[in-house]
Amino acid sequence: GENVEQHPSTLSVQEGDSAVIKCTYSDSASNYFPWYKQELGKGPQLIIDIRSNVGEKKDQRIAVTLNKTAKHFSLHITETQPEDSAVYFCAAPPGSARQLTFGSGTQLTVLP
Amino acid sequence: NAGVMQNPRHLVRRRGQEARLRCSPMKGHSHVYWYRQLPEEGLKFMVYLQKENIIDESGMPKERFSAEFPKEGPSILRIQQVVRGDSAAYFCASSPGQGGYEQYFGPGTRLTVT
Repeated sequence: GENVEQHPSTLSVQEGDSAVIKCTYSDSASNYFPWYKQELGKGPQLIIDIRSNVGEKKDQRIAVTLNKTAKHFSLHITETQPEDSAVYFCAAPPGSARQLTFGSGTQLTVLP
Repeated sequence: NAGVMQNPRHLVRRRGQEARLRCSPMKGHSHVYWYRQLPEEGLKFMVYLQKENIIDESGMPKERFSAEFPKEGPSILRIQQVVRGDSAAYFCASSPGQGGYEQYFGPGTRLTVT
């Protein structure tokens, strides 16, 4: 099965700085890598994803990079704002399956 | 466009009772997934369903738990004879299928077993 490891578990940054969260996965057949943001008391919200045939994807202040050889992918948030404070999860499917295996989450705190 | 809907949002059950959790996928989505999130932990896959079919239930406990996604109506996750360890947030996600991998989550049902 798939094993997804995520770090750091907590991350504090000053408003305006960048934040980077990293994940590694074990199944080389995995082909889809989403990132979710979860605010307290709410469901996870899909914020960006990347397919295995792409190395980088960007959406405004958020970007994801993928290194298939090393089996790791990262979330980059630039110009952080207090409303970016939340728990962020990475995920990957085991092989070609559709269900997701999630990382353990990163609590991001943006200090004003 | 309505998102994924789950009800109830909060459910309190005494040990030994049954819990029924409902999930209506996004319009046009035919795939439903259930995940469980224990306090201070990540999400764990339970079961993946398409209309009238269970595709993968490898993450669901063999006893007391069952899931269905009938031709008409919402998907239902049923937990019989609940125990305190079943207390968690249960999330449903849906995806369009047909090559669409994106999963969109509902707000969750928070189950408390007393």
